Amino acid sequence: QKEVEQNSGPLSVPEGAIASLNCTYSDRGSQSFFWYRQYSGKSPELIMSIYSNGDKEDGRFTAQLNKASQYVSLLIRDSQPSDSATYLCAVNAAAGNKLTFGGGTRVLVKP
Amino acid sequence: GAVVSQHPSWVICKSGTSVKIECRSLDFQATTMFWYRQFPKQSLMLMATSNEGSKATYEQGVEKDKFLINHASLTLSTLTVTSAHPEDSSFYICSARVGLVWGEQFFGPGTRLTVL
Repeated sequence: QKEVEQNSGPLSVPEGAIASLNCTYSDRGSQSFFWYRQYSGKSPELIMSIYSNGDKEDGRFTAQLNKASQYVSLLIRDSQPSDSATYLCAVNAAAGNKLTFGGGTRVLVKP
Repeated sequence: GAVVSQHPSWVICKSGTSVKIECRSLDFQATTMFWYRQFPKQSLMLMATSNEGSKATYEQGVEKDKFLINHASLTLSTLTVTSAHPEDSSFYICSARVGLVWGEQFFGPGTRLTVL
């Protein structure tokens, strides 16, 4: 079992709709959770960080964390073609110090 | 967010030569930096963790004598690929962590290495 799992996609979403991305992790003691966006040929860009259970909103993005169920999700509201990218879930495990990345979910927003 | 730069953005070299890549945190001090490698259509692979003033910690399977890491200051870490070969061609990306152990990591723009 992989430590951080994501559906590879592609997740096809009509422009203006909500894109919902999920991520599960295996280390129950994980402390911090991050979503990165990576465009093809570019490096990852941090879009959300979340540390405690519940929802965290930033603009069109909402991250949701449920430590009991060991999942973290990302909602993208009013999806735009510019949101088309690969979204990486990253988890900082209990031992700390380094991130473990999921394989990424490719999102395609169609006009 | 915090800004991390990398230089060069791309490099082409001949097989057998060495290449140095610099990673700088521009507006914060980073006690810990990380080096990743990414092959096309694959996820990030952590190569090593670089701590200022101490030896880097390499991930399993990464040759420390081939990938030399130096973190001489709180704003600069370097990765040297020694005796590069075509199989070392990849996208190398550094990141720097802000603050505590569970803090955010910000990535540099990456360096695309092509070894002929």
